[in-house]
Amino acid sequence: KAGVTQTPRYLIKTRGQQVTLSCSPISGHRSVSWYQQTPGQGLQFLFEYFSETQRNKGNFPGRFSGRQFSNSRSEMNVSTLELGDSALYLCASSYREGRGNTEAFFGQGTRLTVV
Amino acid sequence: GDSVTQMEGPVTLSEEAFLTINCTYTATGYPSLFWYVQYPGEGLQLLLKATKADDKGSNKGFEATYRKETTSFHLEKGSVQVSDSAVYFCALRPNTPLVFGKGTRLSVIA
Repeated sequence: KAGVTQTPRYLIKTRGQQVTLSCSPISGHRSVSWYQQTPGQGLQFLFEYFSETQRNKGNFPGRFSGRQFSNSRSEMNVSTLELGDSALYLCASSYREGRGNTEAFFGQGTRLTVV
Repeated sequence: GDSVTQMEGPVTLSEEAFLTINCTYTATGYPSLFWYVQYPGEGLQLLLKATKADDKGSNKGFEATYRKETTSFHLEKGSVQVSDSAVYFCALRPNTPLVFGKGTRLSVIA
């Protein structure tokens, strides 16, 4: 069965612009989480969506937002990009809401570079 | 809050050497514990997991045992291969999203 698909794989944007990243979860999975990975901060949780509702949110500014559609696909948006937003953005899907022993399956990520 | 501490890398080993990557955690309640691996240019892959004390997770020759008394989940492999070169992340999940360690880069040389 197909894995988690993230598009695009690579993106270069200019400071001040906005960007939208897409994630298609594994078929049948209803939970999608987003993580930011940087060399300095490691992997940090952004937010989680389950059945089109945001269930958890990490400690990121309001410039970071997301949504989930009825087919479980998810998008995240970053507005007014800053150089520090350059990172690998990873999406993870789970069959159920992310708690306890729920396994999360990750996509290959979108590498965002802000110049 | 919940946190994971991993040994700093990088770790460089010769092929067929024994591997240990230390992981300790701080968490309230009874979290599930995971090891993920990230190959160059890829996302994270689940390597193994354990959901309660004394559980042993294993996969592809890797093992880790959930030790509640020492709050540890050390990753071990008896004989590493060049193809095991990657970054390894220890993670926990109580009733929250995954919390990751900083990662340990492993390089295996032939």
